[in-house]
Formats: sequence, structure tokens, C-alpha cells
Amino acid sequence: SQELEQSPQSLIVQEGKNLTINCTSSKTLYGLYWYKQKYGEGLIFLMMLQKGGEEKSHEKITAKLDEKKQQSSLHITASQPSHAGIYLCGAPQGGSEKLVFGKGTKLTVNP
Amino acid sequence: KAGVTQTPRYLIKTRGQQVTLSCSPISGHRSVSWYQQTPGQGLQFLFEYFSETQRNKGNFPGRFSGRQFSNSRSEMNVSTLELGDSALYLCASKLGGNQETQYFGPGTRLLVL
Repeated sequence: SQELEQSPQSLIVQEGKNLTINCTSSKTLYGLYWYKQKYGEGLIFLMMLQKGGEEKSHEKITAKLDEKKQQSSLHITASQPSHAGIYLCGAPQGGSEKLVFGKGTKLTVNP
Repeated sequence: KAGVTQTPRYLIKTRGQQVTLSCSPISGHRSVSWYQQTPGQGLQFLFEYFSETQRNKGNFPGRFSGRQFSNSRSEMNVSTLELGDSALYLCASKLGGNQETQYFGPGTRLLVL
């Protein structure tokens, strides 16, 4: 079955710093979703990438999909305390409706 | 538009009991998926319902079941609860097509004692 590995598992940065979170798939990616979760709460949709080489941005967050590497990256520019939370990548398993998720990256932004 | 809602938000049960969780999708969404989230296993897919039919199923025992009503609201039932069933249960809805974005509810936190 498909597995998504996220790195790093946790990240502590100073406010204003840039950071990158990676998500690597064990199998071909048929799309990739990024979500953010505050502890114990639901997931907030950030972005969906569907094609290799695709790059999307929303405010200070940019995500890219590298189909050949079976990998996606999420980059945050000039981080703020509001960016703190757990970032999860998810992908359709084998192109089906089932989503498989990575274990998440916990981001702490110190003011 | 109102988001995905889940009730109850918190629940405490004892081993051997059963529990029913409810999920109301975003208006117009016909697909509802359920996930279990635990610190050890992360977020795992339970099942998906579309137009009152189970369309996909994860690798969970038969104690976990669900259903969907004609108004797209969905319920999930867990029978004979075990300590390991303690988790955050999330539901997500989408319009219904393939590779559409799923929108998640706030979750129901279940504690089994």
C-alpha cells in the first residue's frame, strides 16, 4: 500500500524565518493535498496539486509537486505565529477515493 | 455556506459499549468519508459513502460500520468498544467526483475507559 513520509517530524523556527516541509510517496502520486491541523481539531484545506511540476501559492505558503521524485514540498515564507500547527500531506491511494496521509509535521513559530 | 459539522464533539465510553457518531456534510456534498486519527497510527481512512452506498472501505474490523441517509448525513457506529478505539474521528465531505477536495469537520474525540 502507498505510504507518505513527511520530514521533518517537527520544526521550531523564529518568527520571520522561511521553512520547508517535505512529503515523499512510496508510489506514484495521482495528486497531493496539503492540510493544516490545530491540535485536536479538524483539518483545514490549504492546497491541492494535481500535475507534475505544478506550483500553487496562497498568501505566504507555496506548494510544489515533483511527480518524478514522487515528492511534494510546502514552503512558508516569513513565518508567523499563526502558521503554527500540524501540516499533513494526503494523496489518493492508487488513484482511488481513499486518501492516505503522512504522519504530519508539527510546526512551532516562536515570536 | 456552513462547514462540515460533527456531533458530539467529545464522548467517553467504557469497553464493550457501542457508540454512534454523526456527520453533516457541506450542503450539496454527496460524499462523506470517515477517518480515525491516533498519535501512533496517524490519520487512517475508515470508509466513504456516496449517495447512501459505501463506495470505499479501509482496513478496519467489522466493528466499525457506517451509513448514509438520503440527505447525505452520515453516521458511524463502533460496536464492542476497545481501549484502542480511543481516537479523534474525523469526517470529510466533498461533492462526489474523483480527486475533489475533501473538507473536514472538527472531529469527535472518543475516549474509551
